[in-house]
Amino acid sequence: QSALTQPASVSGSPGQSITISCIGTNSDIGGYKYVSWYQQHPGKAPKLMIYEVTNRPSGVSDRFSGSKSGNTASLTISGLQAEDEADYYCSSYASSDTLIFGGGTKLTVL
Amino acid sequence: EVQLVESGGGLVRPGGSLRLSCAASGFTFSSYSMNWVRQAPGKGLEWVSATSPDSTYIYYADSVKGRFTISRDNARNSLYLQMNGLRAEDTAVYYCARGGITSITDYWGQGTLVTVSS
Repeated sequence: QSALTQPASVSGSPGQSITISCIGTNSDIGGYKYVSWYQQHPGKAPKLMIYEVTNRPSGVSDRFSGSKSGNTASLTISGLQAEDEADYYCSSYASSDTLIFGGGTKLTVL
Repeated sequence: EVQLVESGGGLVRPGGSLRLSCAASGFTFSSYSMNWVRQAPGKGLEWVSATSPDSTYIYYADSVKGRFTISRDNARNSLYLQMNGLRAEDTAVYYCARGGITSITDYWGQGTLVTVSS
């Protein structure tokens, strides 16, 4: 049950777009549609931003979008805003009947 | 409004036990799978366990298998995590979250801190 691989940090200026990658294997991201992304501000609970690779829950800004290609999932945030500064985690169902998370990516808005 | 409120965390010695609870409200608890997810201080999220709505299907991370037991009481709208044989590496904030390993995990509680130390 190895963790999914995310970059430790990404940064961007307000108004720019950034993409966070999440690398897995054929046994998790590559094999299923159950990829989610969570945003977590310091001291707060995670918040669901994307589910089933591309879907946004009600209330989540359309500046957030998800995609997948092979064993890699991606979260793109367009029109960066100061309040987007947070930690972001991907997760995926895995064939061992488990749920695995990425190590997390710290987004800094410059 | 969906609410999940965890309780039962605290300081426990290595080898000890603790039972976490999660009180759910604002939705039909018996219709949803539920997860426990933990986060060690300054670290990332780690999935711990999940249960289907009627407890037919239960899953565990390898790191807790044989030591932790997830359960639920649909009549009381409550989720539990019995933790035995606790180790220092189990120190974390434990979150309950609505959803399962293949269903959307959309709501999270605020978490309860478990500290395992002598």
